[in-house]
Amino acid sequence: QSALTQPPSASGSPGQSVTISCTGTSSDIAAYNYVSWYQQHPGEAPKLMIYEVTKRPSGVPNRFSGSKSGNTASLTVSGLQAEDEADYYCCSYAGSNNRVFGGGTRLTVL
Amino acid sequence: QLQLQESGPGLVRPSETLSLTCTVSGDSITSRSFYWDWVRQPPEKGLEWIGSVYYSGITHYNPSLKSRVTMSIDPSKNQFSLKLSSVTAADTAVYYCARQREYNYNYWGQGTLVTVSS
Repeated sequence: QSALTQPPSASGSPGQSVTISCTGTSSDIAAYNYVSWYQQHPGEAPKLMIYEVTKRPSGVPNRFSGSKSGNTASLTVSGLQAEDEADYYCCSYAGSNNRVFGGGTRLTVL
Repeated sequence: QLQLQESGPGLVRPSETLSLTCTVSGDSITSRSFYWDWVRQPPEKGLEWIGSVYYSGITHYNPSLKSRVTMSIDPSKNQFSLKLSSVTAADTAVYYCARQREYNYNYWGQGTLVTVSS
């Protein structure tokens, strides 16, 4: 399976909203509601931010939200804060007990 | 609080077998609610799923790595393991172990860097 497609970079000013896209195929994102998003700061392990397309784990600010339309999933960060600057990865179930990650998006807070 | 800790050699010679162990504390690895996965991240690159193991020993592997990967679980030690054979420089990466439920990962180890070099 091929990696999901994410833009390499995104940016926004503090307080603004930014949306990161994650494009897959009819065999992964479009077929299942098992899209998750991870935040990774340099030198750290990834952290789960969104699961099952729209759900937020306990402790994740409600500034983070997820959605899906067809074969594209999106992560929106509202009210950008300096600590949101990180790499973000999407992940989708791809059938037959496989899963695939996106290439990652570096979010810069200007 | 659940914790996962990877351990194993940080340097592996080309063509040899990479072996890593993940020790789980704070929960039983025999929980039927979770799978236990390995994910890797080459330097300055993205994440790649390697495979999953269930408490019963059932395994699922990334098709692109399947011919070289073996995962196992040891409930007596609350550990699970990864073996990747015939390694090359392309296998140099930070290797993470993680707990998986419904195809998402809510707990990760800190990661361990494995370098393939002679």
